[in-house]
Amino acid sequence: DIQMTQSPSLLSASVGDRVTINCKASQNINKYLNWYQQKLGEAPKLLIYNTNNLQTGIPSRFSGSGSGTDYTLTISSLQPEDFGTYFCFQHNSWPLTFGSGTKLEIK
Amino acid sequence: EVQLVESGGGLVQPGASLKLSCVASGFTFSDYWMSWVRQTPGKTMEWIGDIKYDGSYTNYAPSLKNRFTISRDNAKSTLYLQMSNVRSEDTATYYCTRNYGSYWGQGVMVTVSS
Repeated sequence: DIQMTQSPSLLSASVGDRVTINCKASQNINKYLNWYQQKLGEAPKLLIYNTNNLQTGIPSRFSGSGSGTDYTLTISSLQPEDFGTYFCFQHNSWPLTFGSGTKLEIK
Repeated sequence: EVQLVESGGGLVQPGASLKLSCVASGFTFSDYWMSWVRQTPGKTMEWIGDIKYDGSYTNYAPSLKNRFTISRDNAKSTLYLQMSNVRSEDTATYYCTRNYGSYWGQGVMVTVSS
């Protein structure tokens, strides 16, 4: 199984900050990496698919990058509505696996 | 508008069986792989498994393969998760998703307790 190590687990940042969240796979996942945002009491929402493709309707301040085993989600200028928990998810090979999540708090 | 609506959750006793349903609308259900994902009370996300658009192929998380079965009825645009011999560690919110999480249902809670 591919293990996804996500960091940090908790992130506190201010409005306007540039924020990065990382996921490291235990083996090459060929850019088959998605990022989700989840707010309390809601279902996750897809932000980025296949490393760097912005889902329709997602603000352009969200971006993704990476290759091989290392992937990053970047929020270029943090907005108050960006609080929540972020998950990475690899769909390169079964069984598919999630990262452990990053809780993003707004200072 | 894509909609996924899960149902069938609730309080169940250990060792019992339970079948969850997910009714899809707003897209051609038979064109897409579908998945089940669960989230524990501690917020850990776990992929359960998926099923090919025609129902001919399924994949499962190894730890769940012997107890969980995914199926679908394309005529009813409905995805199913049959859970058997449930355990306390199966307590979670269960989500159906379209292919690799492009859309999610609102989730249904399953609590396993005596």
